Amino acid sequence: DTGVSQDPRHKITKRGQNVTFRCDPISEHNRLYWYRQTLGQGPEFLTYFQNEAQLEKSRLLSDRFSAERPKGSFSTLEIQRTEQGDSAMYLCASSFNTDTQYFGPGTRLTVL
Amino acid sequence: LAKTTQPISMDSYEGQEVNITCSHNNIATNDYITWYQQFPSQGPRFIIQGYKTKVKNEVASLFIPADRKSSTLSLPRVSLSDTAVYYCLVGPRYSSASKIIFGSGTRLSIRP
Repeated sequence: DTGVSQDPRHKITKRGQNVTFRCDPISEHNRLYWYRQTLGQGPEFLTYFQNEAQLEKSRLLSDRFSAERPKGSFSTLEIQRTEQGDSAMYLCASSFNTDTQYFGPGTRLTVL
Repeated sequence: LAKTTQPISMDSYEGQEVNITCSHNNIATNDYITWYQQFPSQGPRFIIQGYKTKVKNEVASLFIPADRKSSTLSLPRVSLSDTAVYYCLVGPRYSSASKIIFGSGTRLSIRP
């Protein structure tokens, strides 16, 4: 399967802990996006990379959130000092120079 | 930024044709219309994209009138597996990701 993959698929953590998620995009895609989705809502944009450069960040991305794409391939999203409001599905998508984004299966985060 | 309006939910039966209409009164000249499908606990999946008139692929058809202020996703002969949330997106084809906004989508339920 050459689609977008995310790891882990599920994460349960206690409030105040740090968590890190990984996304592996489709190999020839130069753009990588992170979204957050809460129950009953559509995905909300968080941030976006073109190759290794982080080009945009949403106001939703507080200073507790950081994303990296060091070699322009896989990306990580870290949430520090998690809060219950961080509980959501975190989706990664990739594209090649168009807005046709292909999504991964997501990582469901539950903060207790 | 073009905002979209679509029905919150729709019901239909297996074998029927389903049409989901999306309103985007403020669509810009360089905006494209894209539809995504999302099953529970999965990331959204690209269905179809168009700019004007009619686009058709193996999954669906997209009808866009001349004024482009609305669009209709048509699913022929639906099955139970078409039960999902369908999102209508409007945005420039080549642009930064933050200009693509997911709404709440249309929850389509197909009954036997």
